[in-house]
Amino acid sequence: DQQVKQNSPSLSVQEGRISILNCDYTNSMFDYFLWYKKYPAEGPTFLISISSIKDKNEDGRFTVFLNKSAKHLSLHIVPSQPGDSAVYFCAASSYHGGATNKLIFGTGTLLAVQP
Amino acid sequence: DSGVTQTPKHLITATGQRVTLRCSPRSGDLSVYWYQQSLDQGLQFLIQYYNGEERAKGNILERFSAQQFPDLHSELNLSSLELGDSALYFCASSPDLGTSGTENTGELFFGEGSRLTVL
Repeated sequence: DQQVKQNSPSLSVQEGRISILNCDYTNSMFDYFLWYKKYPAEGPTFLISISSIKDKNEDGRFTVFLNKSAKHLSLHIVPSQPGDSAVYFCAASSYHGGATNKLIFGTGTLLAVQP
Repeated sequence: DSGVTQTPKHLITATGQRVTLRCSPRSGDLSVYWYQQSLDQGLQFLIQYYNGEERAKGNILERFSAQQFPDLHSELNLSSLELGDSALYFCASSPDLGTSGTENTGELFFGEGSRLTVL
């Protein structure tokens, strides 16, 4: 049972345009959603997160939107740059004041930004 | 540099063997998490330790075990290795979530991984 899904294995966009990466989830108990970026031969690096009580969080070129009713979140990158080319993982956690922050990851989307 | 250190970076071994992967968390982080990434797959949660005690368990095989030591470093032991165990193994750490004033953003800090190849 895959609780976090990224249905697009890859995405190609032109430099300067908007990149939109999508993620769906099934567990309504998730309280944090995160995006990680991963280059080959490196560990995932945190990009941006959003609490389930919010519907938008922005950090520079990166904006995450959360639609709880649709159990859907998206990452917008504007403008896209060649250096953004990487695999992007969506992840979710259900902390709820407990003691574990384990993340459940999607399968990732490979973003290629063409110069 | 996330501050999380994993060794070895690469490991090649044969089926039936046993290996140990080591992780040093960021300074001050009490939680350590282990993840497995097989080819073209997402990161699968294996197990979490918090201050030396097991806190959460995922789809970890019985052939695998982990522990966290008093100095907070952690080891993941993989035994009776099979070809399908070939994967990237990541360790991550997070701060003490019970610390007053600590905002929980849900972030885990990942190491660069240990690539295991079983031949």
